[in-house]
Amino acid sequence: AQSVAQPEDQVNVAEGNPLTVKCTYSVSGNPYLFWYVQYPNRGLQFLLKYITGDNLVKGSYGFEAEFNKSQTSFHLKKPSALVSDSALYFCAVSENTGGFKTIFGAGTRLFVKA
Amino acid sequence: EAGVVQSPRYKIIEKKQPVAFWCNPISGHNTLYWYRQNLGQGPELLIRYENEEAVDDSQLPKDRFSAERLKGVDSTLKIQPAELGDSAVYLCASSLEGQPQETQYFGPGTRLLVL
Repeated sequence: AQSVAQPEDQVNVAEGNPLTVKCTYSVSGNPYLFWYVQYPNRGLQFLLKYITGDNLVKGSYGFEAEFNKSQTSFHLKKPSALVSDSALYFCAVSENTGGFKTIFGAGTRLFVKA
Repeated sequence: EAGVVQSPRYKIIEKKQPVAFWCNPISGHNTLYWYRQNLGQGPELLIRYENEEAVDDSQLPKDRFSAERLKGVDSTLKIQPAELGDSAVYLCASSLEGQPQETQYFGPGTRLLVL
């Protein structure tokens, strides 16, 4: 069965510093990996996804993520954090197994301090 | 382009009462998803539609939950009767063709509180 883990409940970073939000996954086949962001009282907004090809994926708002097959990870990164990046971040995984289900992690709260 | 629309945004009911949520997906999106998001957790799929057909309802508690998407466009999710444990945010999402590599677009959600 597929699963996804976000090992940190919260990540704290100072504005202007680089940030990393971690995600690891488990699937039986080839994964499709996603990052979404959720602001208070809002739905999830898509940031980026990995389907195939280049392991480094660039997305919205300066975020990027690196697919690492050997470590089964898909960590979200940004070179310079903004206070406005403070939100809840979800990693998700899907796989094509003749019908599919997207599994979401429990979320990581990012707090960027001015 | 209009996003996924959900109503109501908030609902407070007493236990054992019925409640219904409505969702209108992005125009042209064939696949519609209903998720439940409990506090401090990620969304969990309740049901997935491809056009009018429910293709995955394995996680839908069928004793009290029901859903429909009669014309393959908008959808209603119903709970009858509601229990205290149903308090959560109910999210609707849509995607173009229901492939696992597609982006899902989420509505703002309906926050349900059962007293």
